[in-house]
Amino acid sequence: NAGVTQTPKFQVLKTGQSMTLQCAQDMNHNSMYWYRQDPGMGLRLIYYSASEGTTDKGEVPNGYNVSRLNKREFSLRLESAAPSQTSVYFCASIPSSSRLTYNEQFFGPGTRLTVL
Amino acid sequence: QKEVEQNSGPLSVPEGAIASLNCTYSDRGSQSFFWYRQYSGKSPELIMFIYSNGDKEDGRFTAQLNKASQYVSLLIRDSQPSDSATYLCAQRMAAGNKLTFGGGTRVLVKP
Repeated sequence: NAGVTQTPKFQVLKTGQSMTLQCAQDMNHNSMYWYRQDPGMGLRLIYYSASEGTTDKGEVPNGYNVSRLNKREFSLRLESAAPSQTSVYFCASIPSSSRLTYNEQFFGPGTRLTVL
Repeated sequence: QKEVEQNSGPLSVPEGAIASLNCTYSDRGSQSFFWYRQYSGKSPELIMFIYSNGDKEDGRFTAQLNKASQYVSLLIRDSQPSDSATYLCAQRMAAGNKLTFGGGTRVLVKP
């Protein structure tokens, strides 16, 4: 199992450019998440998908769109990149579990994005 | 006010000592809590989760939860230089599978 994979690992954009960050998991997880991490801010939820075919906004959704392409893949799109979107982006997934009190999030390796 | 608060540190501890990390949360509906360790440039990895009041021990790590006072803590016994990392506290809300993270505490273990 590759776990959670993300592409690309690094990206530099100019203001106004668009790009899509890709995330895939091979663990048959239902729920997938996109976070951004800025220094001293911890992880902030951008969007999540509780199951295939559904997506919901998180804490900081402005400037982003998402697509849950199938159960494995969850992509994050920046339509018009801004310097404020310079950050490290993490994708995560959660396994299906009947134990509602415990659900470990498995994280991808991250994408380091710089917007000039 | 952020929902999950942590002291950003750095928390400097000598090798072999106990590192004590604290986390407070504002939502009484939180069901469970997680401690993640994140090395510089890497993704977070889960070290502990806790959902019942009291202590939970796993190796050198002990998580403590006090729902009445709305805090959760992590103790690292016999701290090693390899424990130097940022530790993120997270709460799982009663509704849905979302986690809310604190800003993290940076720990430095000095030989």
